[in-house]
Amino acid sequence: KAGVTQTPRYLIKTRGQQVTLSCSPISGHRSVSWYQQTPGQGLQFLFEYFSETQRNKGNFPGRFSGRQFSNSRSEMNVSTLELGDSALYLCASSLGDQNSPLHFGNGTRLTVT
Amino acid sequence: GESVGLHLPTLSVQEGDNSIINCAYSNSASDYFIWYKQESGKGPQFIIDIRSNMDKRQGQRVTVLLNKTVKHLSLQIAATQPGDSAVYFCAESGSWGKLQFGAGTQVVVTP
Repeated sequence: KAGVTQTPRYLIKTRGQQVTLSCSPISGHRSVSWYQQTPGQGLQFLFEYFSETQRNKGNFPGRFSGRQFSNSRSEMNVSTLELGDSALYLCASSLGDQNSPLHFGNGTRLTVT
Repeated sequence: GESVGLHLPTLSVQEGDNSIINCAYSNSASDYFIWYKQESGKGPQFIIDIRSNMDKRQGQRVTVLLNKTVKHLSLQIAATQPGDSAVYFCAESGSWGKLQFGAGTQVVVTP
């Protein structure tokens, strides 16, 4: 079974631009979660989608948004990029119940200059 | 707020020895815990999980122990191999899709 796929692997953007990251979950998984990983803050939860609905949201500004499509694929968007948005963005999928493990992709490395 | 933390930032282990990675959690209501391994340039990889109604769970070369009395988790890796070199995270499951991760422990396997 194919794992979680994230595209692109690397992105370089300029401050003020916006960016869209894509995630394809494991087949059969209906939940997709997004995380930001930085050396200083570690892994921080952004939001979670299940059946095209956002069920949970972390403490990030409204510049961070996401959506999920009917095939469970998900995208996240960051608008008006700031230097501090430089990070590894990780997508994880699961079956969607409370005690199912999250399975992560290899992430998109975003650099904002 | 509630947090999950690791005691040792770096663990150096000789190849063939057993490794023990520790983790403390503060939310006594937590009922599901997961260990992940993250290699350089990759995302966290699921190793093993445990529910709060269990004290111990074994996988292939790994064992997770849960002590709810002192809110402590540990991951034991038997016969550590060079391929085990990575950062290990414990995570505490919260509400939908939200995991509270510890800071991570870097495991370095020496020949």
